[in-house]
Amino acid sequence: GAGVSQTPSNKVTEKGKYVELRCDPISGHTALYWYRQSLGQGPEFLIYFQGTGAADDSGLPNDRFFAVRPEGSVSTLKIQRTERGDSAVYLCASSWSGASHEQFFGPGTRLTVL
Amino acid sequence: GQQVMQIPQYQHVQEGEDFTTYCNSSTTLSNIQWYKQRPGGHPVFLIQLVKSGEVKKQKRLTFQFGEAKKNSSLHITATQTTDVGTYFCAGYYAGGTSYGKLTFGQGTILTVHP
Repeated sequence: GAGVSQTPSNKVTEKGKYVELRCDPISGHTALYWYRQSLGQGPEFLIYFQGTGAADDSGLPNDRFFAVRPEGSVSTLKIQRTERGDSAVYLCASSWSGASHEQFFGPGTRLTVL
Repeated sequence: GQQVMQIPQYQHVQEGEDFTTYCNSSTTLSNIQWYKQRPGGHPVFLIQLVKSGEVKKQKRLTFQFGEAKKNSSLHITATQTTDVGTYFCAGYYAGGTSYGKLTFGQGTILTVHP
């Protein structure tokens, strides 16, 4: 079937605004991950879902970041009061189970905070 | 916390030359995965190594996992222009508070001159 999809592909917002980024994982994948990638860096882990629950949210930088996966499929990453330092590519990945399995990445959402 | 260091940051080679990137972890890994990211693209899974001292080959690519499961390498023989991209290692540490989390290295950017 289809791979991981993310919307929007690009998001430009103003400092202080609220944004939502959406991820559609591969059907049947129980594990879902959010990463943030800055230019010239590797993906930085944000949060990991196993089913509907956040199994590990240790990578969320502060309480402005929140993510949900209410039905164990689609996930939304929410960022409140955006700051210029939040500008990055936000990647979503899914896998059959935990991180011991191959992760399939989506194309990412490029977030620019002006 | 766990860190994965990857060197070199950049590698420029002439087509036909070999290429190697190295990955080191501060603590013992449960497994290590390798990903390739083409310019403007997203990370794509290449391979996973699990066993101490494991060596796996994919055509011109050879992957090794150290005996202590703290280091790994990717070697490309006779590079081609299609090998261009950034190569990331990503370590998985089972147990503790890191369950489900992949820690990526900074990546090695490979440029191949025809």
